[in-house]
Amino acid sequence: QAVVTQEPSLTVSPGGTVTLTCGSSIGAVTSGHWPYWFQQKPGQAPRTLIYDTTDKHSWTPARFSGSLLGGKAALILSGAQPEDEADYYCILTFSGSCVFGGGTKLTVL
Amino acid sequence: QVQLQESGPGLVKPSETLSLTCTVSGGSVSIGTYYWHWIRQPPGKGLEWIGYINYSGTINYNPSLKSRVTISTDKAKNQFSLKLSSVTAADTAVYYCGRSFKGMDWGQGTLVTVSS
Repeated sequence: QAVVTQEPSLTVSPGGTVTLTCGSSIGAVTSGHWPYWFQQKPGQAPRTLIYDTTDKHSWTPARFSGSLLGGKAALILSGAQPEDEADYYCILTFSGSCVFGGGTKLTVL
Repeated sequence: QVQLQESGPGLVKPSETLSLTCTVSGGSVSIGTYYWHWIRQPPGKGLEWIGYINYSGTINYNPSLKSRVTISTDKAKNQFSLKLSSVTAADTAVYYCGRSFKGMDWGQGTLVTVSS
């Protein structure tokens, strides 16, 4: 089974830009892995920010975007706000089976 | 707007079977385009995908749990369910149900503790 990797932790300054990545142990991530990105705040259920690599839910703030970058899926946050401090998870699909990354703890400081 | 609500016992004894139900409102489990997921999160840890079912008949489980997991749907009650057998303390987690297709909707989650 593939292992999905994410940065364990990242820090961004308020108003700054940060890129979170989601890689696969068995090769480059493509749109065929249907990358999703989720945000989870303490004590809350996760909520979906990005699906199918780049698509946004109606509630996804415009400052979040998704892409493929250097063989990985990427979540780009441009203009970080204090309320963006949270855990972020990606999930990839491999021949119908889904695998979560370990999550990235994002600090806005 | 679909809503998902998990329900079931909050305490299960070791070696027994964990059984949870997800009740769907504002949507139908009978629509073949959607995938109905179970996901869990041990306290203080990350998310783990358990499996999904699709009304068209597709079922997929996490290989590490496959021997112990069963996911099924109940069209009449508009629900889908999770059974996890032979549980141990390592199965203690918040269990979430979810619906995916062009996005993913989540339930609020329910904590299940495995303890005697």
